[in-house]
Amino acid sequence: GESVGLHLPTLSVQEGDNSIINCAYSNSASDYFIWYKQESGKGPQFIIDIRSNMDKRQGQRVTVLLNKTVKHLSLQIAATQPGDSAVYFCAENGGATNKLIFGTGTLLAVQP
Amino acid sequence: DTEVTQTPKHLVMGMTNKKSLKCEQHMGHRAMYWYKQKAKKPPELMFVYSYEKLSINESVPSRFSPECPNSSLLNLHLHALQPEDSALYLCASSQYFSGQGDTEAFFGQGTRLTVV
Repeated sequence: GESVGLHLPTLSVQEGDNSIINCAYSNSASDYFIWYKQESGKGPQFIIDIRSNMDKRQGQRVTVLLNKTVKHLSLQIAATQPGDSAVYFCAENGGATNKLIFGTGTLLAVQP
Repeated sequence: DTEVTQTPKHLVMGMTNKKSLKCEQHMGHRAMYWYKQKAKKPPELMFVYSYEKLSINESVPSRFSPECPNSSLLNLHLHALQPEDSALYLCASSQYFSGQGDTEAFFGQGTRLTVV
C-alpha cells in the first residue's frame, strides 16, 4: 500500500551544526506535506508545511524541500540546538483530504 | 489561541471500567481527529469528524466510541478495553477536512492511557 518512510531512524548531530532529516513518500496523489516535532511525553508540534506547487519553503531556522520527481521531502534545521532534540515526523495528506499519513519518525539527538 | 486541550493527561483504567477522554479547541476548526500512538511509533488515525459528523472510522473496535457534541468538543468513550489498548491518545483539529484546502492540523498533548 501507499506509505511514507524515513531513511534514518536516528540522527545524531553536534550542537551548532545543521541537521537534515529525510522522508520518502510513495503516494503520488499527495499534494500537501507537514513536518511535526514531538518531544517526549508531548503531542506532535507543527513545524512547517509545504504544498506540491512549491519546491522549497523557509521558516525560522527550518527549511523544507520537496522533490516531486523522486517523491522526497527533507527538513533542514540550521544551527541545531539542544532544544531541537525530539522525534521528527513527516506527514502527507494522500491527495484527497486532510487525512494525514505519518512517516515512521526520526529521532534527532543533539550532542552538546 | 492555537491550542487543543485534552483531559485527563493520564488515565489508568481496569478492563471493566467505562471512561471518557475529552478534547476541546476554540480555533473555529470544523475538523477534529482522534489518533492513537504506541511507543516509538507514528500516530495512527482512528476517527475524523467534519462539521460535527463522523467522516472516517478507521475500522476501530466498538469499545472505542467517539462523540462530537458541538464544533469545539470531541469525546472518546472507552468501555471494556484491553491491555493492548494502552497508548497515547491524541486529539487534533484543522480548519477543514476536505474540499476547502489543506491546512495544518494542531495536536493536543495527549492522554496517556494505561489499561490494567
